Amino acid sequence: EIVLTQSPDFQSVTPKEKVTITCRASQSIGSNLHWYQQKPDQSPKLLIKYASQSISGVPSRFSGSGSGTDFTLTINTLEAEDAAAYYCHQSSRLPQTFGPGTKVEIK
Amino acid sequence: EVQLVESGGGLVQPGGSLRLSCVVSGFTFSSYAMNWVRQAPGRGLEWVSVISGNSGSTYYADSVKGRFTISRDNSKNTLYLQMNSLRAGDTAVYYCAGANNYYDKIDYWGQGILVTVSS
Repeated sequence: EIVLTQSPDFQSVTPKEKVTITCRASQSIGSNLHWYQQKPDQSPKLLIKYASQSISGVPSRFSGSGSGTDFTLTINTLEAEDAAAYYCHQSSRLPQTFGPGTKVEIK
Repeated sequence: EVQLVESGGGLVQPGGSLRLSCVVSGFTFSSYAMNWVRQAPGRGLEWVSVISGNSGSTYYADSVKGRFTISRDNSKNTLYLQMNSLRAGDTAVYYCAGANNYYDKIDYWGQGILVTVSS
């Protein structure tokens, strides 16, 4: 099973700041890494696909990068509505796995 | 509009069984691989199982293998999860989730249904 680790676990950030979340895979997964946002009491929402590809309707302040084992989700100029948990997800091999999540709080 | 609506959750005793259903609309159900993903209270997401569009392939997480069975009825646009020998550790919100294939991102998520395993 491919294990995904995320850092940090938690981040408290002021609006307009930049947020960087990392996801590391226990073995190479190419670009088969996706990011989701989950707000309290809501279902997850796809933010970035295949490490760096944007999703229609997702604000351009969200971007992704990386390949192989190391990946990054960046939120530029954080807004209050971005308070949520963020999860990475690998679909390279079964079983699919998710990272443990990063909770972003707005100061 | 895409909709995935889960039902069948609730409170069940340890060792008991439950069957979840998910009715899908707004996309071509038979062309999509369908997953179940769960989330224990206050915890992260855990992938549970996936079934191919034609039901030809199914896969399970080790934590549920031998106890859970995924199936689908494309004539009814419905996905199922039969859960047997339930344990306290199976307590979670269960999400029905659609993807182009079982090596792909998850495009569509249901609202989730709570399953509580407790005596």
